[in-house]
Amino acid sequence: AQSVSQHNHHVILSEAASLELGCNYSYGGTVNLFWYVQYPGQHLQLLLKYFSGDPLVKGIKGFEAEFIKSKFSFNLRKPSVQWSDTAEYFCAVMSVSGTYKYIFGTGTRLKVLA
Amino acid sequence: SAVISQKPSRDICQRGTSLTIQCQVDSQVTMMFWYRQQPGQSLTLIATANQGSEATYESGFVIDKFPISRPNLTFSTLTVSNMSPEDSSIYLCSVEWGKSFYFGPGTRLLVL
Repeated sequence: AQSVSQHNHHVILSEAASLELGCNYSYGGTVNLFWYVQYPGQHLQLLLKYFSGDPLVKGIKGFEAEFIKSKFSFNLRKPSVQWSDTAEYFCAVMSVSGTYKYIFGTGTRLKVLA
Repeated sequence: SAVISQKPSRDICQRGTSLTIQCQVDSQVTMMFWYRQQPGQSLTLIATANQGSEATYESGFVIDKFPISRPNLTFSTLTVSNMSPEDSSIYLCSVEWGKSFYFGPGTRLLVL
């Protein structure tokens, strides 16, 4: 069965620190990959997405993610975090074949200290 | 992107009652989805609602408990029936648009 793992449940960083959030999925077929962010009190927003092509994708607010097919991973990165990046981050996988269905990871709660 | 609104934004309900949540999209979409996000947990897909057909429910969710309507391409409702405290959660409407999914602001439900 499809599954998505986010190994870091809680991350605390100081401002200007670098960020990397792990996301691994299990699915043998072709997938589309997504990262969503949920700021406190707000709804889910799409941060970035990968469908095909360059495995390094850039999203909003300086975030980027790299798809490594051999590792079934799609890690999220940001070279220098800001206090305003405090939020919960969700990785999601959608299989290209069959019905459109997202599988979400359990989320990573990021707290950035000013 | 699609803009999605939900009503109500939050509610407190008594056990045994039912609540209907409305989802409105500013564009016509084929598929709409209903998710649940329980406290401290990730999103779980409840069902997929296509206009003109019966909703498709995920394992663990049944139509009697979560009836869904999809009368047109911009609107859907989810009813949480015979509620218990375990139904306390955030319920989210979502649509697929341009191969990406967009989410409504959610309905925060507390069942006493």
